Amino acid sequence: DTAVSQTPKYLVTQMGNDKSIKCEQNLGHDTMYWYKQDSKKFLKIMFSYNNKELIINETVPNRFSPKSPDKAHLNLHINSLELGDSAVYFCASSQDKNTDTQYFGPGTRLTVL
Amino acid sequence: KNQVEQSPQSLIILEGKNCTLQCNYTVSPFSNLRWYKQDTGRGPVSLTIMTFSENTKSNGRYTATLDADTKQSSLHITASQLSDSASYICVVSENDYKLSFGAGTTVTVRA
Repeated sequence: DTAVSQTPKYLVTQMGNDKSIKCEQNLGHDTMYWYKQDSKKFLKIMFSYNNKELIINETVPNRFSPKSPDKAHLNLHINSLELGDSAVYFCASSQDKNTDTQYFGPGTRLTVL
Repeated sequence: KNQVEQSPQSLIILEGKNCTLQCNYTVSPFSNLRWYKQDTGRGPVSLTIMTFSENTKSNGRYTATLDADTKQSSLHITASQLSDSASYICVVSENDYKLSFGAGTTVTVRA
């Protein structure tokens, strides 16, 4: 069974569209994250949720809105997609705090045309 | 300026050889430092996590060292294998919820 899963794996869309990426973890973890990895392979944290509550919200445009329906899911919705949003988005989870080992999903490659 | 600097940016080694990757950080206060391995097209996988009081930690052929005084860490790969070809990312945590990532070192192991 996949510990942290994301869908879709690839997403190609036009500028201006709205899209969502889903993430689920079956590890029983309390904390989930979204990361963006740009073309230079730099990972940047975007959001962190602990037990469905937002605990980290880095400087991210408000076009990005995370939603956590329960502690096993953290979805990422992006409005009005821009070219610069093209990247690989990783979901991750950890038992509790950031200091615990984080388990990453396989990533979603988003391409905005 | 990034608070976590890794070097070299990339390196190529022959199978069976050893190599060492460097990570220097300015993050303060310091909680822990971790090394991740990221294979192409996949998410990062944790190799080691070290707290302030730990100087070295091993995970198979991977050995990480930490000098919290000089704020330096290294990751040593022993007897490299083709499967070691990946990007290695150094991550420093300053508290429960803030992480700083290095840009990674890309290692290519050739037969």
